[in-house]
Amino acid sequence: NAGVMQNPRHLVRRRGQEARLRCSPMKGHSHVYWYRQLPEEGLKFMVYLQKENIIDESGMPKERFSAEFPKEGPSILRIQQVVRGDSAAYFCASSPRGENTEAFFGQGTRLTVV
Amino acid sequence: GENVEQHPSTLSVQEGDSAVIKCTYSDSASNYFPWYKQELGKRPQLIIDIRSNVGEKKDQRIAVTLNKTAKHFSLHITETQPEDSAVYFCAASNGGGFKTIFGAGTRLFVKA
Repeated sequence: NAGVMQNPRHLVRRRGQEARLRCSPMKGHSHVYWYRQLPEEGLKFMVYLQKENIIDESGMPKERFSAEFPKEGPSILRIQQVVRGDSAAYFCASSPRGENTEAFFGQGTRLTVV
Repeated sequence: GENVEQHPSTLSVQEGDSAVIKCTYSDSASNYFPWYKQELGKRPQLIIDIRSNVGEKKDQRIAVTLNKTAKHFSLHITETQPEDSAVYFCAASNGGGFKTIFGAGTRLFVKA
């Protein structure tokens, strides 16, 4: 079991470009969560997805950010028209089911907007 | 909305001493409380968790206590070692869909 795989590990984008972050959950896990971590800060919940469904996106900014978890393939966090304030580490986590189980984190994608 | 507060933000102890980190939560429906350790540049990893039907749980040098009435829970690390130096996050979630809310983190320094 390869664990939660995120790619790329590091991503540099110019202001105004799009950033696409990918997350492949652990085998057998159907629940995916995205968190954002600013330097020296904690993990902020963004969105919780199951296959083909967004369950809770209350932590996601209303504009420019979107997430999906298609039937086939990885979960994608998409940031359009990036700004410097989007620079952060984005962590994906997965769990086998939704209720009260350990979430396993990926290594994160460090996004730098220049 | 839901909130988890964590104190202290920074903690420095001498090797061999104990370290205590405290968290409070606001959502009374929370019933699962994991603790994660994050080393510099690495992913958060679960070190211990507790469910609401238990008041205390211990795993070697690490213990967690939960007071549901007061809505607070604590992490205790005994006989600290330099390799315990990291950022520790508490978290709380309810059974409704695993929207886990994390505390802001505690940076623990263990001095040799």
